[in-house]
Amino acid sequence: NAGVTQTPKFQVLKTGQSMTLQCAQDMNHEYMSWYRQDPGMGLRLIHYSVGAGITDQGEVPNGYNVSRSTTEDFPLRLLSAAPSQTSVYFCASRRQRGDTEAFFGQGTRLTVV
Amino acid sequence: QQQVKQSPQSLIVQKGGISIINCAYENTAFDYFPWYQQFPGKGPALLIAIRPDVSEKKEGRFTISFNKSAKQFSLHIMDSQPGDSATYFCAASRGGFKTIFGAGTRLFVKA
Repeated sequence: NAGVTQTPKFQVLKTGQSMTLQCAQDMNHEYMSWYRQDPGMGLRLIHYSVGAGITDQGEVPNGYNVSRSTTEDFPLRLLSAAPSQTSVYFCASRRQRGDTEAFFGQGTRLTVV
Repeated sequence: QQQVKQSPQSLIVQKGGISIINCAYENTAFDYFPWYQQFPGKGPALLIAIRPDVSEKKEGRFTISFNKSAKQFSLHIMDSQPGDSATYFCAASRGGFKTIFGAGTRLFVKA
């Protein structure tokens, strides 16, 4: 049972480049979300999804796009990377809306130069 | 606007001592308050959680105290151990949506 899998673990981008951070879960969870973690800022919600085909914005959505075509996958796209997007990104999933525990992936450390 | 304020930013405790981390929230619609523990290079993992209809929840050495009127909640780690050294995040959510995290507390337990 892999849980929540994020790829890649590390990535360096040049300003203006685009890329997709992958997130997959094998627990059949309906609810998935993306966070970024910055020193002294905790985890801030970027986007979330309550099921396939349904997404919504979190606290800091600008510069990021998401889609949810399947229950298992929830990719995060950076359209034009900026140095301000240098961060550690975490994907999380939980079983359903009212459920409690969120399961986090191992994170993707992204550096934009 | 920071909806969940966490303090202190860092904490050093002697082995066997009590670690206390405090959080305050603004939105009275929040109905679920979890604490997450994160070790370096890992994702956060749920430690303990509470709902606002109870004032205290204890699981082993970890206790959450909840004060609904003051909109505050805290994590107490009794008999702190070096293995408890990690970053702790409080959080709050409404109906499971949009979980908002505090800024985190880096705990170091001295042997």
